[in-house]
Amino acid sequence: ETGVTQSPTHLIKTRGQQVTLRCSSQSGHNTVSWYQQALGQGPQFIFQYYREEENGRGNFPPRFSGLQFPNYSSELNVNALELDDSALYLCASSLGGGANNEQFFGPGTRLTVL
Amino acid sequence: AQSVTQLGSHVSVSEGALVLLRCNYSSSVPPYLFWYVQYPNQGLQLLLKYTSAATLVKGINGFEAEFKKSETSFHLTKPSAHMSDAAEYFCAVTNTAYQKVTFGTGTKLQVIP
Repeated sequence: ETGVTQSPTHLIKTRGQQVTLRCSSQSGHNTVSWYQQALGQGPQFIFQYYREEENGRGNFPPRFSGLQFPNYSSELNVNALELDDSALYLCASSLGGGANNEQFFGPGTRLTVL
Repeated sequence: AQSVTQLGSHVSVSEGALVLLRCNYSSSVPPYLFWYVQYPNQGLQLLLKYTSAATLVKGINGFEAEFKKSETSFHLTKPSAHMSDAAEYFCAVTNTAYQKVTFGTGTKLQVIP
């Protein structure tokens, strides 16, 4: 059984560019949540996907968007990158989207925006 | 609305001493509460969770936490610190709707030999 994997591990972009981050969920999991963790802060919830549908969203602008595929892997897309988007982006998978379903986190993608 | 407050961004303890990391929460509905640990350059690992069953929750690596509704607290403890416990610890809260988990700002635990 493989855990949650994310790619790439590190990424450097410039302001205004677009970026796509990828997450492969743990085998058997149908729910993926994305979090942004700025340096020295706790993770902040971006959104959750359950069976290919967005199932909830945090306080992030529309330029943060996502997809979940039939195999339950997921992408996070960020358009018009800003300097403040520099952060560690974490995805977490679970079996079900309820609060009682344990989330398993990937190692994250470190995004630097110059 | 839900939130958590972690008191102390840095805590230092001697090896073998008691570990106490503080967390207070705010939630308009009965909460689910979590403690996660994050080692450098890694994702988060669940230590334990409270889901309205027993108020004293035991987790992995010898950690436990007690849910106190009257104090709106969910402090994390471990009787004897090990060097391997040095990491950052996050308290988190969510409601029953879905996993819009709100994390605290974290407490970095340093264990002194």
